Amino acid sequence: DAKTTQPPSMDCAEGRAANLPCNHSTISGNEYVYWYRQIHSQGPQYIIHGLKNNETNEMASLIITEDRKSSTLILPHATLRDTAVYYCIVRYPHRGSNYKLTFGKGTLLTVNP
Amino acid sequence: GAVVSQHPSRVICKSGTSVKIECRSLDFQATTMFWYRQFPKQSLMLMATSNEGSKATYEQGVEKDKFLINHASLTLSTLTVTSAHPEDSSFYICSATGTGDMSLHFGNGTRLTVT
Repeated sequence: DAKTTQPPSMDCAEGRAANLPCNHSTISGNEYVYWYRQIHSQGPQYIIHGLKNNETNEMASLIITEDRKSSTLILPHATLRDTAVYYCIVRYPHRGSNYKLTFGKGTLLTVNP
Repeated sequence: GAVVSQHPSRVICKSGTSVKIECRSLDFQATTMFWYRQFPKQSLMLMATSNEGSKATYEQGVEKDKFLINHASLTLSTLTVTSAHPEDSSFYICSATGTGDMSLHFGNGTRLTVT
């Protein structure tokens, strides 16, 4: 699975959009981009995933560049409860026992009042 | 959405004793479950993968005789830390996925403290 690079930390004002970048320059054609987050002392939570098209769900939007070498997770209206470590993971869409995820260090997003 | 329940959320045990952690999928059949460990200020590290009815596959450096994993049903996996030592104190997190699932569902973790 391709490696990802994320800034170690970011700050965002409450109510503003939080844009979290991720570089994955070695991504290959069939690898998906997944985002998870981990609120302190809890298990990770799935946010969104995509292959090449932009994706949106009730939690966030995922913007993937045309060359797929980078992506941005957007939380449109950040709240204090969005303070967490956000992990960008690139992997093939395996299922079952091949589904293990390898976590990097992620980005600590702090939403300030 | 899919819910994974992990129990207990916290446990304190004495050195040399064993501790069992349960992981249940509440509303789906978990064909595969994963166990992670997370030390303070570090990321999650995969310990082992288990498929229902099969022996677990352990990652390099994880002692299979110390961390016993049982996945006897499609809704339950257990991790037993045997002869626990203070260095086993950590945050243990299970996760599960079902057939055809594109995402992984995580439990809320178990904080183990070995005194």
